Amino acid sequence: AQSVTQLDSQVPVFEEAPVELRCNYSSSVSVYLFWYVQYPNQGLQLLLKYLSGSTLVKGINGFEAEFNKSQTSFHLRKPSVHISDTAEYFCAVSDQEIQGAQKLVFGQGTRLTINP
Amino acid sequence: KAGVTQTPRYLIKTRGQQVTLSCSPISGHRSVSWYQQTPGQGLQFLFEYFSETQRNKGNFPGRFSGRQFSNSRSEMNVSTLELGDSALYLCASSSRGRAVYEQYFGPGTRLTVT
Repeated sequence: AQSVTQLDSQVPVFEEAPVELRCNYSSSVSVYLFWYVQYPNQGLQLLLKYLSGSTLVKGINGFEAEFNKSQTSFHLRKPSVHISDTAEYFCAVSDQEIQGAQKLVFGQGTRLTINP
Repeated sequence: KAGVTQTPRYLIKTRGQQVTLSCSPISGHRSVSWYQQTPGQGLQFLFEYFSETQRNKGNFPGRFSGRQFSNSRSEMNVSTLELGDSALYLCASSSRGRAVYEQYFGPGTRLTVT
C-alpha cells in the first residue's frame, strides 16, 4: 500500500516570490508520481508527472518537481508565483506494478495563497 | 476535444435515499475512475472501470457501486445515503495510449445529504 504526506497544509507567499510545496511518499513498490492543482469549484488538473527517466520534471504554468528516490520525495517548485496560482495542490502516487490500473493515492493537499 | 463531463453538478438528497451520478469520459478514453473528496478524508479512490469491467476498487462499503456502458460512460450509485456521504464526487478518464497513467478529471458533482 502507498501513502502520501504533504508536509504543509497551507503555504502563504508573496507574489513573484519562489515557492516549494513538499511531498513525501511511502511505498513498498515502485510508483509513478503526480502533482495536480484544483481551483475553487473545479476538478483536478494535472500539473506534471514523473514516470521514469530524468528526475527533474517540468510541467505547465512554470512548475517543476524533482523526484528523489532516496528521500522518497517529490517536491513541487515555482521560481516566481502569480496571483493566479492561488489554489489547492495535491501530490499523488500510483502503483507501477498494477498494470493499466488507474488508482491514485492522494496527499491531503496544500493550499497555496498568493498575497499581493 | 471535449473534456470529462459530470451530471448533475449539484445535488441535494435526504438520508436514506439513493442517488445516481453520471460521468462521460473524453472521447476515445476507455478507463473511468471515481473519487470522493471530503474536507476530513481528502481524496479517496472509489473504483475504476475499463471496458465495462470493474478493474480496481477502493475501501468503501457496498452501498457505493458503479457501472460502465459500452460507450465508456459511467454511472455511480450510492444507496441508503448517510450524512457522511456529503462530498464532491470526481470522475476521471484516461486512455490506453502513451499517457496511460494520466487521468483527466471532470468538474465533479457536489452531493449534499440532509
